[in-house]
Amino acid sequence: DAKTTQPPSMDCAEGRAANLPCNHSTISGNEYVYWYRQIHSQGPQYIIHGLKNNETNEMASLIITEDRKSSTLILPHATLRDTAVYYCIVAGYSTLTFGKGTMLLVSP
Amino acid sequence: EAGVVQSPRYKIIEKKQPVAFWCNPISGHNTLYWYRQNLGQGPELLIRYENEEAVDDSQLPKDRFSAERLKGVDSTLKIQPAELGDSAVYLCASRHTGFPGELFFGEGSRLTVL
Repeated sequence: DAKTTQPPSMDCAEGRAANLPCNHSTISGNEYVYWYRQIHSQGPQYIIHGLKNNETNEMASLIITEDRKSSTLILPHATLRDTAVYYCIVAGYSTLTFGKGTMLLVSP
Repeated sequence: EAGVVQSPRYKIIEKKQPVAFWCNPISGHNTLYWYRQNLGQGPELLIRYENEEAVDDSQLPKDRFSAERLKGVDSTLKIQPAELGDSAVYLCASRHTGFPGELFFGEGSRLTVL
């Protein structure tokens, strides 16, 4: 699986958009970009995934660059409950390999 | 719909003792995973099952770890004997066969080895 690079931590004010970047320059054509998050003491939770096109669901939006070498997860209106570790994962039909992720701290 | 159920939630044992963790995946999910998560790290795969077959166990320390998924439903992960370095959270996840899919994780079993 291709590797990803994420900042170790980010801050966001409550109510503002949180934009979490991820670099995956070695992604191959059949690999998807997945985003998960892990709230303290819980198992990881699936957020969204995409291949080429931008995706949106009730939780977040995923923006993938045209060359697919990077992506951004957007939480449009961050709340305190969005404080968590966010993992960007690139994978095909195989196991998801987690890195260390980005610790997002949402403050009042 | 019930989620992935794991037990026990917490376990404290002394080194060299055996321990077992149980996982019941979401009904109908053919793929089951066991991950281990050390403090401050992301989850690391131990083993992946497709139905009752272990299709990826390359990261499972086979000298002391074993797993089974009889009848392709629930699964058990065993450590015997446990070592201090085995202290971690053991996560079970499942997903329905198909690609791409999303993994559903349980809350995990936190193991402390003294």
